[in-house]
Amino acid sequence: SAVISQKPSRDICQRGTSLTIQCQVDSQVTMMFWYRQQPGQSLTLIATANQGSEATYESGFVIDKFPISRPNLTFSTLTVSNMSPEDSSIYLCSVSWPNEKLFFGSGTQLSVL
Amino acid sequence: EDQVTQSPEALRLQEGESSSLNCSYTVSGLRGLFWYRQDPGKGPEFLFTLYSAGEEKEKERLKATLTKKESFLHITAPKPEDSATYLCAVQAASGGGADGLTFGKGTHLIIQP
Repeated sequence: SAVISQKPSRDICQRGTSLTIQCQVDSQVTMMFWYRQQPGQSLTLIATANQGSEATYESGFVIDKFPISRPNLTFSTLTVSNMSPEDSSIYLCSVSWPNEKLFFGSGTQLSVL
Repeated sequence: EDQVTQSPEALRLQEGESSSLNCSYTVSGLRGLFWYRQDPGKGPEFLFTLYSAGEEKEKERLKATLTKKESFLHITAPKPEDSATYLCAVQAASGGGADGLTFGKGTHLIIQP
């Protein structure tokens, strides 16, 4: 299995600012994913980040709002830009493992005031 | 469009009182059905993957079963430490890997001593 470290674990931010979330994996992985989990809602995939290529965004999510970096096979960042209260959510990093398993980080609880 | 519906939304049981959680799904060819456990403030923890109707998997007090339209997570003689939110997800056969997961909203399970 993979061990995923995600930072920060929680943050309270002001409207209009940006927050960068870091995700570190203890093994080299090809595919990394960023999910959002809003209160009472399903986990929703934001984007897929492959090393060496631009992230692929799901419908409803755009690069200007959620820029992603993937500089190597063990690390990725997600930035939530120009935040509004509607961005308050849990953001989760995950990695793909053999047999289609997904392992998740512990998440970042974001509150925007 | 792939859909996953979990029921009930919340379930409160006495310690030792067995029950089942339901996951109904609609998918264009099932590649895999996944069960996760999520504790407050943490990311989802992988439990099971089921691939075909009739398949069953067990882990301690949990047993997952799969039919062509739904999956059940049976909890036998639960203990308070089984309290968590249980998430179901499906992957379509047309998906390009684990990024094709569609999640349900989860069942919030509380086991009272």
